[in-house]
Amino acid sequence: ETGVTQTPRHLVMGMTNKKSLKCEQHLGHNAMYWYKQSAKKPLELMFVYNFKEQTENNSVPSRFSPECPNSSHLFLHLHTLQPEDSALYLCASSQPAGDRETQYFGPGTRLLVL
Amino acid sequence: EDQVTQSPEALRLQEGESSSLNCSYTVSGLRGLFWYRQDPGKGPEFLFTLYSAGEEKEKERLKATLTKKESFLHITAPKPEDSATYLCAVQARYDYKLSFGAGTTVTVRA
Repeated sequence: ETGVTQTPRHLVMGMTNKKSLKCEQHLGHNAMYWYKQSAKKPLELMFVYNFKEQTENNSVPSRFSPECPNSSHLFLHLHTLQPEDSALYLCASSQPAGDRETQYFGPGTRLLVL
Repeated sequence: EDQVTQSPEALRLQEGESSSLNCSYTVSGLRGLFWYRQDPGKGPEFLFTLYSAGEEKEKERLKATLTKKESFLHITAPKPEDSATYLCAVQARYDYKLSFGAGTTVTVRA
């Protein structure tokens, strides 16, 4: 595996379900991100982890719970979601490096909440 | 607050018909401006980073330019495989976060 991988690629869940999204990066980076992408809207940053520590929570509802056990893995735990949470969830990683820092994205998980 | 506006929202081109996409931005000190390409159902793919006004970068049929207020992505003699949504994002100095525009969806017809 190379780059940033995400599983599952597609997920359908009911409003009472609990599920988790997984992201793994194979780039040796130390920062990882969760974004939400809804149709026709800009990417919305949800969470940021630097060296396994959460450094950003962009006013995300508590029904989304991130976990970063190490610099290569990132999870997004989902529970009691709402239909408006249906979107493409993207994971990204970067290597903090002064003025030269590029984020690389995974393929995303397409989530549908019924 | 950093803002990024991309225009047009959608662009339909005939194969070989060159055109430009615009990304206007306001940011409190630019650290970098990023262009990504996104195919349907996939994650954004990194194309370029521009760091200062006057800088240009090229990749195949794509050329990105930067001024103090906007960036252009020029597509020269596009092919159907250039069809995608192109995203622009800015990163402010002393910050790692990216602020994205809504994107321009380009469709190139053979």
